[in-house]
Amino acid sequence: EAGVAQSPRYKIIEKRQSVAFWCNPISGHATLYWYQQILGQGPKLLIQFQNNGVVDDSQLPKDRFSAERLKGVDSTLKIQPAKLEDSAVYLCASSLVGGGGNSPLHFGNGTRLTVT
Amino acid sequence: AQSVAQPEDQVNVAEGNPLTVKCTYSVSGNPYLFWYVQYPNRGLQFLLKYITGDNLVKGSYGFEAEFNKSQTSFHLKKPSALVSDSALYFCALLTDSWGKLQFGAGTQVVVTP
Repeated sequence: EAGVAQSPRYKIIEKRQSVAFWCNPISGHATLYWYQQILGQGPKLLIQFQNNGVVDDSQLPKDRFSAERLKGVDSTLKIQPAKLEDSAVYLCASSLVGGGGNSPLHFGNGTRLTVT
Repeated sequence: AQSVAQPEDQVNVAEGNPLTVKCTYSVSGNPYLFWYVQYPNRGLQFLLKYITGDNLVKGSYGFEAEFNKSQTSFHLKKPSALVSDSALYFCALLTDSWGKLQFGAGTQVVVTP
């Protein structure tokens, strides 16, 4: 079984620039998550999709972050404009169905973003 | 409010010795609890989960976890640690029916030869 694919692995940008991350979940996984992991902290959920619909985006800074999953498969996360505090690892995860009790999350290797 | 805490930033253990990584939680109702491990420059990998049933849960790579409702704890254990177990370990709490997980801050495990 192929895992969750993310690209790029690393990205360095200057503040106020824009950046986009891409995620391809495991085939057949209906639920897709984007997490932000700041150094020294646990991952924090930014947005959760069920197929192509948003389930939870309560912690997404919507003035600068956006995400989409148009066909219910791949997803992109965009930051525009970036701030220094956005430096973090952005993790994509997927699961068969929502409700992690029955379906553990499978994580990609993440994109490490550095904003200078 | 629901929360999960990992009171230790780092745990040091010699290879072959037992390993324990602590996790406590606060939730109204029955908790669904998870342990994940993260190796350098990698995503998180699922180790085990507690949903209901036996308080001792067995997972991947020889790890197990003990659920204790009276102490609101879910400590991760391994009887004999390996150098390859050195990694960052996260405890997580399921916070809604859609699968949202709240992660602890993580505990760095260092196993020395």
